[in-house]
Amino acid sequence: GENVEQHPSTLSVQEGDSAVIKCTYSDSASNYFPWYKQELGKGPQLIIDIRSNVGEKKDQRIAVTLNKTAKHFSLHITETQPEDSAVYFCAASLGSNQFYFGTGTSLTVIP
Amino acid sequence: DTGVSQNPRHKITKRGQNVTFRCDPISEHNRLYWYRQTLGQGPEFLTYFQNEAQLEKSRLLSDRFSAERPKGSFSTLEIQRTEQGDSAMYLCASSLRPYGYTFGSGTRLTVV
Repeated sequence: GENVEQHPSTLSVQEGDSAVIKCTYSDSASNYFPWYKQELGKGPQLIIDIRSNVGEKKDQRIAVTLNKTAKHFSLHITETQPEDSAVYFCAASLGSNQFYFGTGTSLTVIP
Repeated sequence: DTGVSQNPRHKITKRGQNVTFRCDPISEHNRLYWYRQTLGQGPEFLTYFQNEAQLEKSRLLSDRFSAERPKGSFSTLEIQRTEQGDSAMYLCASSLRPYGYTFGSGTRLTVV
């Protein structure tokens, strides 16, 4: 199956700064890459996703980039706010109904 | 619609007991998924239903685990003879397509 690695495991940034989280995947056949935000005691919430035929996607302060050749994808959050503090998970899918998740990044935005 | 609903939110059980969790997906979603999440880890796939048919099962789903979706609406996940290693958050998700899952808030199981 697919193997997804995620870095860093923890990240602290000052409010207003940018945050970048990186993931790599092992199976070149993976074609869908969602990012989820999980707050304490809640289920993961989809924040942005990208398909393998696109190199970059942006939604307001959040962007995702995909490098298929290198098999890595990244989440970029600009102008971070305290409410961005949460655990973020990347995932990869081979087009089946199963997602393979990374181990998560705990983001803390310091006011 | 209020999203994916899971009950109970928390369950504490003694080792060896059976437990059952319920998931009510978003009403128009025909796809339903169960995942398990242990502390500090990402969710791991357990099983997938399309309508009432269980189409995929993970190797994680041992013979002590069974999932059903009898009428293609709500789903139940049962764990028989619980073990301490079963302690985790059990997440349910639903979708219309194989993308863009909506997760519920999960059921946290503690086996003592």
